Amino acid sequence: GEDVEQSLFLSVREGDSSVINCTYTDSSSTYLYWYKQEPGAGLQLLTYIFSNMDMKQDQRLTVLLNKKDKHLSLRIADTQTGDSAIYFCAETYSSGGYQKVTFGTGTKLQVIP
Amino acid sequence: DGGITQSPKYLFRKEGQNVTLSCEQNLNHDAMYWYRQDPGQGLRLIYYSQIVNDFQKGDIAEGYSVSREKKESFPLTVTSAQKNPTAFYLCASSNRITSTDTQYFGPGTRLTVL
Repeated sequence: GEDVEQSLFLSVREGDSSVINCTYTDSSSTYLYWYKQEPGAGLQLLTYIFSNMDMKQDQRLTVLLNKKDKHLSLRIADTQTGDSAIYFCAETYSSGGYQKVTFGTGTKLQVIP
Repeated sequence: DGGITQSPKYLFRKEGQNVTLSCEQNLNHDAMYWYRQDPGQGLRLIYYSQIVNDFQKGDIAEGYSVSREKKESFPLTVTSAQKNPTAFYLCASSNRITSTDTQYFGPGTRLTVL
């Protein structure tokens, strides 16, 4: 089946850049997403990238997609303490004629002041 | 304001009891989903519905049941048959299940079995 993998934990100092990585298995994925989850809350969409793109930038966020290696990354520039959260990558795939979404295990980002 | 609401935020249940988690959306979305979140395991799909009066099992449907009598509502019942129900439950919705539209999430319900 479809599988999305992430490292569980990342620690960075405030002001540094954070890079969160994700690998996925379904080469037919249409969209790949990054979600942010703050403690005790639901998931909030941060950004997404269409599978025919290599890069997407949105203010402090940069998404890089390497389709050959099925590798997705999220770079957060000038990381702030408010960026501390769990970050999930997700891919869409077709199953039984429907589009479904598979989420990664989540990477907990800790920002040290 | 448009969005998804889940209630209650915290729920405690004794073993052997059924409980129902509420999910309501006023986004006029056709599709709705229920996920279970456990530490270190990401989100796992329990049930999804693409239209009123229709729903499909996800990856871990055993011990759960749903209904979709209204477009805006998709309640989840955790039955006594669910062996390990303590978890964080998230409801989401999107425009259409066949589209690549973004899923919008509710704030979640944390269920604890005593």
